[in-house]
Amino acid sequence: KAGVTQTPRYLIKTRGQQVTLSCSPISGHRSVSWYQQTPGQGLQFLFEYFSETQRNKGNFPGRFSGRQFSNSRSEMNVSTLELGDSALYLCASSLGAGPVTDTQYFGPGTRLTVL
Amino acid sequence: QQPVQSPQAVILREGEDAVINCSSSKALYSVHWYRQKHGEAPVFLMILLKGGEQKGHEKISASFNEKKQQSSLYLTASQLSYSGTYFCGTANTGNQFYFGTGTSLTVIP
Repeated sequence: KAGVTQTPRYLIKTRGQQVTLSCSPISGHRSVSWYQQTPGQGLQFLFEYFSETQRNKGNFPGRFSGRQFSNSRSEMNVSTLELGDSALYLCASSLGAGPVTDTQYFGPGTRLTVL
Repeated sequence: QQPVQSPQAVILREGEDAVINCSSSKALYSVHWYRQKHGEAPVFLMILLKGGEQKGHEKISASFNEKKQQSSLYLTASQLSYSGTYFCGTANTGNQFYFGTGTSLTVIP
C-alpha cells in the first residue's frame, strides 16, 4: 500500500498570504489529523477529520482551517500568514477511530517558510 | 495539557538500556509512543489503552499507570538504529490528543 502523501513538500510564502496544503491518506483510512511541528513548541495537534467532518480541534486560531473530501483526502488552509507559522506541517491517517485509539501513519510533511 | 517527558536527552552506548517517561496532569484514556528520526516523519511504536490493552512492536515494551497518568517506554539492548527523538502522545476522555515534549536518544558505538 502506498503511504501517506503530502504536497507540496516545501513552500515559501510571505506574511499576509494564504496557503493550502494537501494530504492523501493511506487507501482505506478515513481519519486524517494535522499537526504543526516547530523546534520551540514540538508537535501540536491542529485538527482531525473523519467522513468529511471535523471531529476534533486543537488550540489554534481560526486562521487555520481544513476540510476533507469524500475520498478522504484532506486539505489544510492557513490565511493571513504570520512569521510564527513557519513550521513542518504533518498529516497522519488512521483507519477510523482517530488519534485516540488508532495507530497513526504520518506523511513526510510540508515545510512552510514564511518570510 | 502537553505531557512532560523525561529525560529531555540521553546518550547510550550500544547494548545499554534506557527508560523514557511520560507524565500528564489529566486523566488519560490512551498513551502512544512514536519515534522520529531527523528529517523524517514520526513512526508508530506502541499504543497503550486504559484497561490494559497494548498494540505495538514486539521488541518494544512500555507501561501505563492509569492512576498516576504516567507511561514509561523501555528500550533494552539499544542499537544504533534506536537513535532519534521519542514522543509520547496522550489522549484524554475528552478526545483531546497531545504530543509530549520529546526525548532525544543518541546511541553511540
